[in-house]
Amino acid sequence: DVKVTQSSRYLVKRTGEKVFLECVQDMDHENMFWYRQDPGLGLRLIYFSYDVKMKEKGDIPEGYSVSREKKERFSLILESASTNQTSMYLCASSLPGNTDTQYFGPGTRLTVL
Amino acid sequence: DAKTTQPTSMDCAEGRAANLPCNHSTISGNEYVYWYRQIHSQGPQYIIHGLKNNETNEMASLIITEDRKSSTLILPHATLRDTAVYYCIVRFRSGTYKYIFGTGTRLKVLA
Repeated sequence: DVKVTQSSRYLVKRTGEKVFLECVQDMDHENMFWYRQDPGLGLRLIYFSYDVKMKEKGDIPEGYSVSREKKERFSLILESASTNQTSMYLCASSLPGNTDTQYFGPGTRLTVL
Repeated sequence: DAKTTQPTSMDCAEGRAANLPCNHSTISGNEYVYWYRQIHSQGPQYIIHGLKNNETNEMASLIITEDRKSSTLILPHATLRDTAVYYCIVRFRSGTYKYIFGTGTRLKVLA
């Protein structure tokens, strides 16, 4: 079974803090993704990576950056957290190809005060 | 982007089949239809996907119309644990493959 783990289930930070969200997958997947999920808006793609040290912006990258130094780990960074970044953050991974299935982690619920 | 339209919510009696519809009238020939579900406070879980033909696995069946403009996910014997939000997604390719998630159908299975 594919396992995608995220460093925290719940996180509370203050405005202006630097926040790191970590994601690790154990199935040697090339692709990794970060989404945020907000009520009424569904899941929105923030960034994705299709290889080590490679990254591409998703639909809402503003205010975020990412790091992929190792294949199994994909980090989402909030350089200076703001209250509008309070959300559920979901990480996913997949193999490349025509029918890749994305496997999701349990999510991190981030609250920025 | 090929978009999907799903009902906001549905109820189903426990033990009965749950049929969840999805419209994707702008789907293109090489785009797949995927279904995921999300149980409260968990990450989305893959259910099934298909291109043209009907598909079945241990969780569900997927029926895609001949013109591919709509599909139906069938949970043959719904249980209380199937209560979740179900997402119908059309695969869009942009450099790499990404999903466009809508707001899904909230399925409530009633005892």
